[in-house]
Amino acid sequence: GAVVSQHPSWVICKSGTSVKIECRSLDFQATTMFWYRQFPKQSLMLMATSNEGSKATYEQGVEKDKFLINHASLTLSTLTVTSAHPEDSSFYICSARDDQSSYNSPLHFGNGTRLTVT
Amino acid sequence: QKEVEQDPGPLSVPEGAIVSLNCTYSNSAFQYFMWYRQYSRKGPELLMYTYSSGNKEDGRFTAQVDKSSKYISLFIRDSQPSDSATYLCAMSHTDKLIFGTGTRLQVFP
Repeated sequence: GAVVSQHPSWVICKSGTSVKIECRSLDFQATTMFWYRQFPKQSLMLMATSNEGSKATYEQGVEKDKFLINHASLTLSTLTVTSAHPEDSSFYICSARDDQSSYNSPLHFGNGTRLTVT
Repeated sequence: QKEVEQDPGPLSVPEGAIVSLNCTYSNSAFQYFMWYRQYSRKGPELLMYTYSSGNKEDGRFTAQVDKSSKYISLFIRDSQPSDSATYLCAMSHTDKLIFGTGTRLQVFP
């Protein structure tokens, strides 16, 4: 089955520093990847849609200058949380859809990255 | 009003019970419906995927969609302790998924 690998799974950083999270599709190509954030006991909230070769599309209320997305290839998207603050502490999850499947087919998710900003 | 409503639970049942999980939604344009299972500190994994109204069965899991009532269900038969997780409904009409809050299920031996 389609596998999405996310790294790191857990990271602690100091306030004001930046953190990069990688998302890779291991056995399929993904022109589009999605980045979600999940707070404890809450649902997944879509942050942005990452598009290979073009700019990411951000959801309303998500600061594009704070959450930098780079979709460098058909198998890799990165999310960089810049100048992180404690309120950015959350569970970040990426997902991808196989380019061979239809636009409305289910997404495959990575195992998430737990970010703690001290 | 949220686009997708889901009771967060927790729902606690004995092993072997039949579990019913539900979501309601407000956007009549939704056509694709999914159920994901999420274990603690892990990403969601797809359980069931259905298009439009009807039933779909896969092993101990049955998904039902009633578009006229804007209501979807997931039934788990012969529940096991390993089924203890958070179950998220998701739906879409475009390439984006909209998730419910998730229902936390605990199956005790």
